[in-house]
Amino acid sequence: QVQLVESGGGVVQPGRSLRLSCAASEFPFSTYAIHWVRQAPGKGPEWLSYITFDGSEKYYADSVKGRFTISRDNSKNILYLEVNSLRPEDTAVYYCARGGVVGMDVWGQGTTVTVSS
Amino acid sequence: DIQMTQSPSSLSASVGDRVTITCRASQGIANYLAWYQQKPGKVPKLLISAASTLQSGVPSRFSGSGFGTDFTLTISSLQSEDVATYYCQKYNSVPLTFGGGTKVEIK
Repeated sequence: QVQLVESGGGVVQPGRSLRLSCAASEFPFSTYAIHWVRQAPGKGPEWLSYITFDGSEKYYADSVKGRFTISRDNSKNILYLEVNSLRPEDTAVYYCARGGVVGMDVWGQGTTVTVSS
Repeated sequence: DIQMTQSPSSLSASVGDRVTITCRASQGIANYLAWYQQKPGKVPKLLISAASTLQSGVPSRFSGSGFGTDFTLTISSLQSEDVATYYCQKYNSVPLTFGGGTKVEIK
């Protein structure tokens, strides 16, 4: 079925970096915009970033602008999020979600990032 | 940036009750409003898009309404499986802001 699967999370020290991945299957990945959303423990979802279907446009929340970079490889059906200069407040479950005219209609299961010394 | 304010932040109701959750945008967003349901320990699920369009497979007891700045999610007859936190989200432009959430519990 239509699926998004995130990976790449883990426990990292403050100031370090990670690359999160989101593998898509069973839908035409190259025709959809994709979002990254995170959810800190006990908090609501926070939209982070969005990339258009062809990667030509990228947008970021102010909270991560300059530290996070979204990209995609349509030949491999994979979305990425480079997360740099990690802070304890970046601790969260990170989700990728398929975008479209209806909002975010397909979500992955999430990958957990814990920033701690 | 446009802010999304939900109320109430939590509610407790009996099975069979009609439940209403409101979401207010600080500026007009036409009907670019989605509602998500997140059950404990689960991933958010899209319930309603374009303010009032029920997604496939979502029970008909859920409905949405509104345009511009004021929106409503209604559960016509609350069921035990509806225990969840509900979030609104604007998606007309970035940032795609979520509301603070409404936690629905059974009395």
